[in-house]
Amino acid sequence: EAQVTQNPRYLITVTGKKLTVTCSQNMNHEYMSWYRQDPGLGLRQIYYSMNVEVTDKGDVPEGYKVSRKEKRNFPLILESPSPNQTSLYFCASSSQDGPLYEQYFGPGTRLTVT
Amino acid sequence: QQQVKQSPQSLIVQKGGISIINCAYENTAFDYFPWYQQFPGKGPALLIAIRPDVSEKKEGRFTISFNKSAKQFSLHIMDSQPGDSATYFCAASRSSNYQLIWGAGTKLIIKP
Repeated sequence: EAQVTQNPRYLITVTGKKLTVTCSQNMNHEYMSWYRQDPGLGLRQIYYSMNVEVTDKGDVPEGYKVSRKEKRNFPLILESPSPNQTSLYFCASSSQDGPLYEQYFGPGTRLTVT
Repeated sequence: QQQVKQSPQSLIVQKGGISIINCAYENTAFDYFPWYQQFPGKGPALLIAIRPDVSEKKEGRFTISFNKSAKQFSLHIMDSQPGDSATYFCAASRSSNYQLIWGAGTKLIIKP
């Protein structure tokens, strides 16, 4: 089944404790992206990657890091989480062969930072 | 700076009625306008999309109306059903990159 998977789905952590949210897609997509979703703000892009070893900042990159060492994986790293990073996070992927606006989303990771 | 403004924030419609969600954009460089549907506990999924050289696109009960001069587009859901209850996001994209600019979302509730 073609899909984007994220782990963990739910995470409660404390301020300053480094964490990684994993994202993997099995569709051989070149493009991957991380979003955060907050009430009233829609989805805001954190980082995106056009291909392996190519990453770029989105609209809200502060406090986040990413890496793209393999085509299928795009982990999101919070080196020192703060309460304002409490949010619902989505990973998405897209193919250069399809419509550029068609992105496939994972099920989301709900992060709470206390 | 919010480049895509979506309204209303929430909407309640009776079963069988027409649901209408509106979006307005600022950047005339956008060349695709997709709508995404999100059910609770799930990620958004593409519902329907339109290019600015088309005034209307229909897929089943879902129709996008596009007004290029007003820089506005809207989603109409005909014969709304309880299964349509979800959050709907409009977005705008440019062919030159993969970035989507998102509206704030509309939580739609269809009352049986």
